[in-house]
Amino acid sequence: AQTVTQSQPEMSVQEAETVTLSCTYDTSENNYYLFWYKQPPSRQMILVIRQEAYKQQNATENRFSVNFQKAAKSFSLKISDSQLGDTAMYFCAFMLNDMRFGAGTRLTVKP
Amino acid sequence: KAGVTQTPRYLIKTRGQQVTLSCSPISGHRSVSWYQQTPGQGLQFLFEYFSETQRNKGNFPGRFSGRQFSNSRSEMNVSTLELGDSALYLCASSLAQGASTDTQYFGPGTRLTVL
Repeated sequence: AQTVTQSQPEMSVQEAETVTLSCTYDTSENNYYLFWYKQPPSRQMILVIRQEAYKQQNATENRFSVNFQKAAKSFSLKISDSQLGDTAMYFCAFMLNDMRFGAGTRLTVKP
Repeated sequence: KAGVTQTPRYLIKTRGQQVTLSCSPISGHRSVSWYQQTPGQGLQFLFEYFSETQRNKGNFPGRFSGRQFSNSRSEMNVSTLELGDSALYLCASSLAQGASTDTQYFGPGTRLTVL
Protein backbone atom coordinates (compact mmCIF):
# COMPACT_ATOMS: atom_id res chain seq x y z
CA ALA A 1 0.00 0.00 0.00
CA GLN A 2 1.14 3.50 -0.73
CA THR A 3 2.07 5.60 2.28
CA VAL A 4 3.06 9.24 2.58
CA THR A 5 5.24 10.58 5.38
CA GLN A 6 5.72 14.18 6.39
CA SER A 7 8.31 14.19 9.14
CA GLN A 8 7.94 17.85 10.16
CA PRO A 9 4.72 18.40 12.15
CA GLU A 10 5.45 22.12 12.52
CA MET A 11 7.74 24.66 10.93
CA SER A 12 8.14 28.40 11.01
CA VAL A 13 9.85 30.89 8.74
CA GLN A 14 10.42 34.62 8.69
CA GLU A 15 8.57 36.62 6.09
CA ALA A 16 10.52 36.92 2.80
CA GLU A 17 12.73 33.94 3.62
CA THR A 18 12.76 30.47 2.05
CA VAL A 19 11.49 27.28 3.64
CA THR A 20 11.48 23.66 2.52
CA LEU A 21 8.88 21.11 3.58
CA SER A 22 9.77 17.43 3.37
CA CYS A 23 7.75 14.51 2.08
CA THR A 24 8.61 10.90 1.40
CA TYR A 25 6.38 8.18 0.05
CA ASP A 26 6.44 4.48 -0.46
CA THR A 27 5.25 2.74 -3.60
CA SER A 28 6.25 -0.03 -5.93
CA GLU A 29 4.51 1.64 -8.85
CA ASN A 30 6.29 3.61 -11.57
CA ASN A 31 3.63 5.99 -12.85
CA TYR A 32 1.84 8.12 -10.32
CA TYR A 33 1.18 11.73 -9.40
CA LEU A 34 2.27 13.83 -6.45
CA PHE A 35 0.66 16.96 -5.08
CA TRP A 36 1.09 19.60 -2.45
CA TYR A 37 -2.08 21.12 -1.04
CA LYS A 38 -2.36 23.89 1.51
CA GLN A 39 -5.17 24.18 4.03
CA PRO A 40 -5.42 27.63 5.67
CA PRO A 41 -7.51 28.22 8.78
CA SER A 42 -10.61 28.43 6.57
CA ARG A 43 -10.08 24.65 6.01
CA GLN A 44 -10.39 25.06 2.22
CA MET A 45 -7.90 22.71 0.54
CA ILE A 46 -6.02 24.60 -2.15
CA LEU A 47 -3.80 23.00 -4.78
CA VAL A 48 -0.27 24.34 -4.60
CA ILE A 49 1.61 22.23 -7.12
CA ARG A 50 1.46 18.95 -9.05
CA GLN A 51 4.19 16.62 -10.30
CA GLU A 52 3.85 13.72 -12.69
CA ALA A 53 6.25 10.91 -11.82
CA TYR A 54 7.20 10.32 -15.45
CA LYS A 55 8.51 13.88 -15.76
CA GLN A 56 12.10 14.43 -14.68
CA GLN A 57 11.75 18.20 -14.59
CA ASN A 58 10.71 19.60 -11.23
CA ALA A 59 7.42 21.46 -11.22
CA THR A 60 7.32 25.16 -10.36
CA GLU A 61 4.46 27.56 -9.70
CA ASN A 62 5.60 31.10 -9.04
CA ARG A 63 7.19 31.08 -5.55
CA PHE A 64 6.56 27.36 -5.11
CA SER A 65 8.82 24.65 -6.47
CA VAL A 66 9.45 21.00 -5.77
CA ASN A 67 12.50 18.80 -5.55
CA PHE A 68 11.33 15.45 -6.90
CA GLN A 69 13.76 12.59 -6.35
CA LYS A 70 12.03 9.52 -7.78
CA ALA A 71 14.65 6.97 -6.79
CA ALA A 72 14.69 8.26 -3.24
CA LYS A 73 10.89 8.59 -3.24
CA SER A 74 11.18 12.12 -1.99
CA PHE A 75 9.03 15.11 -2.90
CA SER A 76 9.90 18.30 -1.02
CA LEU A 77 8.25 21.69 -1.42
CA LYS A 78 10.25 24.91 -1.44
CA ILE A 79 8.50 28.19 -0.75
CA SER A 80 10.52 31.24 -1.70
CA ASP A 81 9.91 34.78 -0.47
CA SER A 82 7.48 33.51 2.17
CA GLN A 83 4.41 35.63 2.74
CA LEU A 84 2.07 35.88 5.72
CA GLY A 85 -0.67 34.36 3.58
CA ASP A 86 1.40 31.19 3.24
CA THR A 87 0.58 30.34 6.86
CA ALA A 88 -1.35 27.08 6.63
CA MET A 89 -1.24 23.32 6.95
CA TYR A 90 0.56 21.79 3.99
CA PHE A 91 -0.29 18.28 2.86
CA CYS A 92 1.74 16.11 0.56
CA ALA A 93 -0.38 13.67 -1.45
CA PHE A 94 0.27 10.64 -3.60
CA MET A 95 -2.19 9.62 -6.27
CA LEU A 96 -2.50 6.40 -8.20
CA ASN A 97 -6.06 5.13 -8.09
CA ASP A 98 -6.95 7.21 -5.07
CA MET A 99 -5.31 10.00 -3.13
CA ARG A 100 -3.22 9.28 -0.03
CA PHE A 101 -2.24 12.19 2.18
CA GLY A 102 0.55 12.73 4.64
CA ALA A 103 -0.18 13.92 8.16
CA GLY A 104 0.61 17.51 7.23
CA THR A 105 3.09 20.20 8.23
CA ARG A 106 1.84 23.29 10.01
CA LEU A 107 3.74 26.25 8.58
CA THR A 108 3.74 29.62 10.30
CA VAL A 109 5.17 32.65 8.54
CA LYS A 110 6.32 35.24 11.05
CA PRO A 111 6.39 38.98 10.30
CA LYS B 1 -16.15 29.14 -13.23
CA ALA B 2 -17.75 28.31 -9.89
CA GLY B 3 -15.81 26.04 -7.58
CA VAL B 4 -16.88 22.90 -5.78
CA THR B 5 -19.77 23.55 -3.45
CA GLN B 6 -20.83 21.49 -0.46
CA THR B 7 -24.01 21.65 1.56
CA PRO B 8 -24.64 21.98 4.36
CA ARG B 9 -21.50 23.58 5.73
CA TYR B 10 -22.24 22.60 9.31
CA LEU B 11 -24.35 19.82 10.74
CA ILE B 12 -25.08 18.54 14.23
CA LYS B 13 -26.58 15.08 14.68
CA THR B 14 -27.01 12.60 17.51
CA ARG B 15 -25.76 9.05 17.70
CA GLY B 16 -27.84 6.58 15.74
CA GLN B 17 -29.18 9.11 13.27
CA GLN B 18 -28.27 9.18 9.62
CA VAL B 19 -27.00 12.08 7.55
CA THR B 20 -26.73 13.02 3.88
CA LEU B 21 -24.12 15.43 2.57
CA SER B 22 -24.19 16.97 -0.87
CA CYS B 23 -21.48 18.00 -3.29
CA SER B 24 -21.74 19.87 -6.58
CA PRO B 25 -18.59 19.60 -8.69
CA ILE B 26 -17.02 22.20 -10.92
CA SER B 27 -18.95 22.46 -14.18
CA GLY B 28 -17.68 19.84 -16.63
CA HIS B 29 -16.01 17.69 -13.99
CA ARG B 30 -17.22 14.11 -14.01
CA SER B 31 -15.42 12.64 -11.03
CA VAL B 32 -16.26 13.30 -7.41
CA SER B 33 -14.22 12.00 -4.49
CA TRP B 34 -15.02 12.15 -0.80
CA TYR B 35 -12.59 12.39 2.11
CA GLN B 36 -12.91 12.37 5.88
CA GLN B 37 -10.58 14.60 7.89
CA THR B 38 -10.15 14.11 11.63
CA PRO B 39 -7.41 15.24 14.02
CA GLY B 40 -6.53 11.63 14.84
CA GLN B 41 -6.64 9.92 11.46
CA GLY B 42 -5.92 12.85 9.18
CA LEU B 43 -7.27 12.85 5.64
CA GLN B 44 -8.71 9.54 4.54
CA PHE B 45 -10.21 8.60 1.20
CA LEU B 46 -13.82 7.42 1.33
CA PHE B 47 -14.82 6.78 -2.28
CA GLU B 48 -14.80 8.13 -5.80
CA TYR B 49 -17.64 8.31 -8.28
CA PHE B 50 -17.31 8.70 -12.02
CA SER B 51 -20.22 8.72 -14.46
CA GLU B 52 -22.63 7.61 -11.72
CA THR B 53 -20.50 4.57 -10.84
CA GLN B 54 -18.32 4.02 -7.80
CA ARG B 55 -14.83 3.64 -9.22
CA ASN B 56 -12.73 3.41 -6.06
CA LYS B 57 -13.48 2.82 -2.42
CA GLY B 58 -11.48 3.37 0.74
CA ASN B 59 -11.44 1.32 3.88
CA PHE B 60 -14.60 2.49 5.61
CA PRO B 61 -17.52 0.46 6.96
CA GLY B 62 -20.67 -0.07 4.96
CA ARG B 63 -22.43 2.65 6.97
CA PHE B 64 -20.71 5.06 4.60
CA SER B 65 -22.23 5.12 1.16
CA GLY B 66 -22.55 7.47 -1.74
CA ARG B 67 -24.02 8.02 -5.12
CA GLN B 68 -23.64 10.26 -8.12
CA PHE B 69 -26.35 11.68 -10.29
CA SER B 70 -26.39 12.19 -14.04
CA ASN B 71 -25.43 15.86 -13.59
CA SER B 72 -22.32 14.70 -11.64
CA ARG B 73 -23.62 16.00 -8.33
CA SER B 74 -22.85 13.56 -5.55
CA GLU B 75 -24.23 12.71 -2.16
CA MET B 76 -22.74 10.72 0.65
CA ASN B 77 -24.75 9.12 3.38
CA VAL B 78 -23.70 7.92 6.81
CA SER B 79 -26.14 5.72 8.64
CA THR B 80 -26.26 4.88 12.35
CA LEU B 81 -23.94 7.72 13.28
CA GLU B 82 -21.24 7.16 15.87
CA LEU B 83 -19.31 9.72 17.89
CA GLY B 84 -16.21 8.88 15.86
CA ASP B 85 -17.90 10.04 12.68
CA SER B 86 -17.48 13.64 13.80
CA ALA B 87 -15.21 15.10 11.17
CA LEU B 88 -14.76 17.49 8.30
CA TYR B 89 -16.02 15.82 5.14
CA LEU B 90 -14.36 17.09 2.01
CA CYS B 91 -15.51 16.62 -1.52
CA ALA B 92 -13.22 17.03 -4.52
CA SER B 93 -13.95 17.04 -8.23
CA SER B 94 -11.79 16.43 -11.28
CA LEU B 95 -12.18 16.19 -15.03
CA ALA B 96 -11.07 12.56 -14.87
CA GLN B 97 -11.11 12.05 -18.61
CA GLY B 98 -10.81 8.29 -18.48
CA ALA B 99 -8.32 8.32 -15.63
CA SER B 100 -8.56 8.80 -11.93
CA THR B 101 -5.33 10.72 -11.69
CA ASP B 102 -6.52 14.14 -12.75
CA THR B 103 -5.96 17.01 -10.37
CA GLN B 104 -8.64 17.25 -7.72
CA TYR B 105 -10.18 20.53 -6.62
CA PHE B 106 -11.72 20.63 -3.19
CA GLY B 107 -14.87 22.12 -1.78
CA PRO B 108 -15.03 23.99 1.55
CA GLY B 109 -16.16 20.89 3.44
CA THR B 110 -19.04 19.95 5.70
CA ARG B 111 -18.33 19.95 9.41
CA LEU B 112 -20.30 17.12 11.00
CA THR B 113 -20.61 16.93 14.77
CA VAL B 114 -22.16 13.83 16.33
CA LEU B 115 -23.40 14.23 19.90
